[in-house]
Amino acid sequence: GAVVSQHPSWVICKSGTSVKIECRSLDFQATTMFWYRQFPKQSLMLMATSNEGSKATYEQGVEKDKFLINHASLTLSTLTVTSAHPEDSSFYICSAPQGNQPQHFGDGTRLSIL
Amino acid sequence: GEDVEQSLFLSVREGDSSVINCTYTDSSSTYLYWYKQEPGAGLQLLTYIFSNMDMKQDQRLTVLLNKKDKHLSLRIADTQTGDSAIYFCADLNMFSGGYNKLIFGAGTRLAVHP
Repeated sequence: GAVVSQHPSWVICKSGTSVKIECRSLDFQATTMFWYRQFPKQSLMLMATSNEGSKATYEQGVEKDKFLINHASLTLSTLTVTSAHPEDSSFYICSAPQGNQPQHFGDGTRLSIL
Repeated sequence: GEDVEQSLFLSVREGDSSVINCTYTDSSSTYLYWYKQEPGAGLQLLTYIFSNMDMKQDQRLTVLLNKKDKHLSLRIADTQTGDSAIYFCADLNMFSGGYNKLIFGAGTRLAVHP
C-alpha cells in the first residue's frame, strides 16, 4: 500500500488563488521530504527539500515566496503555491525517504489555474 | 551539475524483452533507481541497485550496472501491455550538506504492441 499520501490529487482554481498541497508519510517519520514539479512529457524537477523544524532548501530558480514550504511535523509537509497563475499549472509530486530505503513518492497533485 | 540521460522512446512487441538504457555522470553515485510512471499517476519504485553491484534480478526485471562506463540498464522480460508506461532512471546524489536528492533522467516511454 501507499506509504506517502498526497492531497488533493486534483485542483482547479482561479488565477490569484493560493493553493495548499499536503504530503504525509504513513507509518514512518520523515525529517526530510522533497517537492518536485513535472511538466507534461517531461521529467521531474526538484523544487525544494523540506526539512522538519527548519527552513526548506530551495533549488536554484525556484521562488521561495511563491512556493511556501512548511514541515511542521515528522509526518507532514505542505507546499503552498501563493497567488497562483496559469504558468504555475503543473503536476506536483512529493517524496519521502524512509530511513535508508529509497524514496517513496506520493501520487501527485495536478494543479490547473484558470 | 550531475546529469542522467535516457533514450526517450522504446517500442516492443508483447512477449519480447525490453531494454531501457541510462547513463549518468555522478562519479560518487551510491544508489541508482528505476521508477515507473503511468499516465496521471505518481512514481512507483520498480527496483534499485547499489553502486558496488553489477547486476540485480527481481522476477521479470534485471538491472545491469557498468560503473566504469556509468551505464545502467533495465531489462523487462516477457513484456506485457501493462508494462506500457514511462520509466525513469534516477541517481542518488549525496550532498555534503547532509541531505541527498534524486537526479532524474528525462524518462523513456515504453510502448508495448500486440
